Amino acid sequence: DTAVSQTPKYLVTQMGNDKSIKCEQNLGHDTMYWYKQDSKKFLKIMFSYNNKELIINETVPNRFSPKSPDKAHLNLHINSLELGDSAVYFCASSPGQTHGYTFGSGTRLTVV
Amino acid sequence: AQSVSQHNHHVILSEAASLELGCNYSYGGTVNLFWYVQYPGQHLQLLLKYFSGDPLVKGIKGFEAEFIKSKFSFNLRKPSVQWSDTAEYFCAVSKGRGFQKLVFGTGTRLLVSP
Repeated sequence: DTAVSQTPKYLVTQMGNDKSIKCEQNLGHDTMYWYKQDSKKFLKIMFSYNNKELIINETVPNRFSPKSPDKAHLNLHINSLELGDSAVYFCASSPGQTHGYTFGSGTRLTVV
Repeated sequence: AQSVSQHNHHVILSEAASLELGCNYSYGGTVNLFWYVQYPGQHLQLLLKYFSGDPLVKGIKGFEAEFIKSKFSFNLRKPSVQWSDTAEYFCAVSKGRGFQKLVFGTGTRLLVSP
């Protein structure tokens, strides 16, 4: 009964490859997010979708493209992976600003 | 730009010691304040939150936090820590009531020795 589930949990890939991370939430929340946590544990927002509409798009390289087929899913596709993309990527969802976020368990991406 | 500061990067305590982790934010309007905990190798879990009302909020696992508007602070406290509280603690702030991003502090790593 995982509330926010991400797949895969671990992803090791070579530079230049294209990869996708999937996220699904069964909480009925309207808003979903992608955050990147770097090696120093700093969390930075990348994207946010509300009811399948992009509402937040931080300064992220064009190689990163989110897609939300419906409000329960928010996937992240990364083209031409670089070493600096290595991080833990967290998906989250929220019903509104005062409720906080529910986070997924993270996807540890390692680019070699 | 909105920012969140956690001045204690690493804290080491013995079991039963009291804990206070500092959090300050720079935004002057209406804010929503959160503390999250990340146990080793796990995802972030919400400890407590404040958006209005009583500035002293109680969360899970015996944690509490106090919102002091005049000091732009939201410090986390626990009277007696346990070894199982060893984790990374993140303060986070969002502003207003619309679609605003949650901005995280840099985190405080707490190590509780038995």
